[in-house]
Amino acid sequence: EVKLVESGGGLVQPGRSLKLSCAASGFSFNDYWMGWVRQAPGKGLEWIGEINQDSSAIKYSPSLKDKFTISRDNAQNTLYLQMSKLGSEDTAIYYCVREELGVDYWGQGVMVTVSS
Amino acid sequence: DNVLPQSPTTMAASPGEKVTITCHASSSGIYMNWHQQKSGTSPKLWIYDTSKLASGVPDRFSGSGSGTSYFLTINTMETEDAATYYCQQCCGTPPITFGSGTKLEIK
Repeated sequence: EVKLVESGGGLVQPGRSLKLSCAASGFSFNDYWMGWVRQAPGKGLEWIGEINQDSSAIKYSPSLKDKFTISRDNAQNTLYLQMSKLGSEDTAIYYCVREELGVDYWGQGVMVTVSS
Repeated sequence: DNVLPQSPTTMAASPGEKVTITCHASSSGIYMNWHQQKSGTSPKLWIYDTSKLASGVPDRFSGSGSGTSYFLTINTMETEDAATYYCQQCCGTPPITFGSGTKLEIK
């Protein structure tokens, strides 16, 4: 069974940074592109970016690329999302996703709240 | 922002009614998927590669379309189908783009 479990969310002050993790299991992690999607409260889904199997290709949404850095550790079956200079507009549920011709599996999501 | 327009934004259907949701895609994408999201839960892949049903999806659902217009159809609406549905295009520029979402309620 494919499992994606995010962690590292919580309350963070505006302007600070935060790093999310996603522990993957139930599939061969280093065979897949992985990505992050977020959803602000009451809003739709927003793709953040993706990373290929050996981290040689990382792509971001054009509107978000200066705020986020995606990385992965294949030895630990873990995906990361480094977020910087957070603002209230970044308050959202952040989902780790597996990608196979689009998103095929979702994590349960982790809430990030940016507030003073 | 890259968001694919979906129509309608919200709708209500009676049990047994036929439902069609439209996604207006970008010409740069290749694959079209649909995701179902129920309140308070993470989305699930529902339909992939335009018309293939994900595992466990009832066969009253179908997907179709080509070019810049794609459709999710429910042949006979059931209570459990109430959810928000998002289309999602792959492999264009940017690589993944989501639709604006359609909230489907039971009447």
